[in-house]
Amino acid sequence: AQKVTQAQTEISVVEKEDVTLDCVYETRDTTYYLFWYKQPPSGELVFLIRRNSFDEQNEISGRYSWNFQKSTSSFNFTITASQVVDSAVYFCALSDPTDSWGKLQFGAGTQVVVTP
Amino acid sequence: DTGVSQDPRHKITKRGQNVTFRCDPISEHNRLYWYRQTLGQGPEFLTYFQNEAQLEKSRLLSDRFSAERPKGSFSTLEIQRTEQGDSAMYLCASGGGGRTYEQYFGPGTRLTVT
Repeated sequence: AQKVTQAQTEISVVEKEDVTLDCVYETRDTTYYLFWYKQPPSGELVFLIRRNSFDEQNEISGRYSWNFQKSTSSFNFTITASQVVDSAVYFCALSDPTDSWGKLQFGAGTQVVVTP
Repeated sequence: DTGVSQDPRHKITKRGQNVTFRCDPISEHNRLYWYRQTLGQGPEFLTYFQNEAQLEKSRLLSDRFSAERPKGSFSTLEIQRTEQGDSAMYLCASGGGGRTYEQYFGPGTRLTVT
C-alpha cells in the first residue's frame, strides 16, 4: 500500500525566512511519481512539480527547490526567502502509474503561515 | 479560461436531498478524476475516467454516489440521499495523454449538508 506522511502540521515563519517542508513516502513499486501541490486560501490546488522515481536530481525553480532522496524515501520542498503570498497549505502526493491509473495519494498537508 | 471548471462552487442542501455537481476538464485531457477533501485532510481519490469509461471507483464511493462522463467530455457526480458526513469539498482534476500523470485541479465544489 502507498502512504505519504507530512509530519509537520503547521509552520510559521517571518517573511524572508526559509522554510522546508518534509515529505516521506512508502511504496513497494519501483516506478512512481511524486508531486507537490499548493492550496492557497481560495481552495484551488495548484500543481508545482512532478518528479519520477528514476530522476534523483534536485530541482530549483525560482525561490522553490526540491530535494528527492530515494534512500530515505523523502521528497522535501524548500521555499527560500518566503513571502506572504506563500501562505498556503502544501501537499505532497504519490502516484503509481503502472496499476492505479495515476490516481494521487496525498499527505495530510502542511499549513505554511508567512507573516510580514 | 482553459482550466478545469466546476459548478456550482458552493452547495447547501438538507439531509436526504440529492445533489449533482459538474466538472468541465481541460478540453484536450482524456483523464478525469474526482476527489473528496474534508477539513484538515488531503484530497482522497473517489473515481477515475479514461475518456467516457469509468475505470476505477474507491470504496469511499458508496452506492449513493454515481459519476458519469458522457462522450468523454464533462463529468457529473451525483450524491443521492445526502448525509451530514457527505459535507466536504469535491474536487475534479484532469490530465492529458502520455505518461506524465500530472493532474490539474478545478476550484472545487463545497458541499454543506444541514
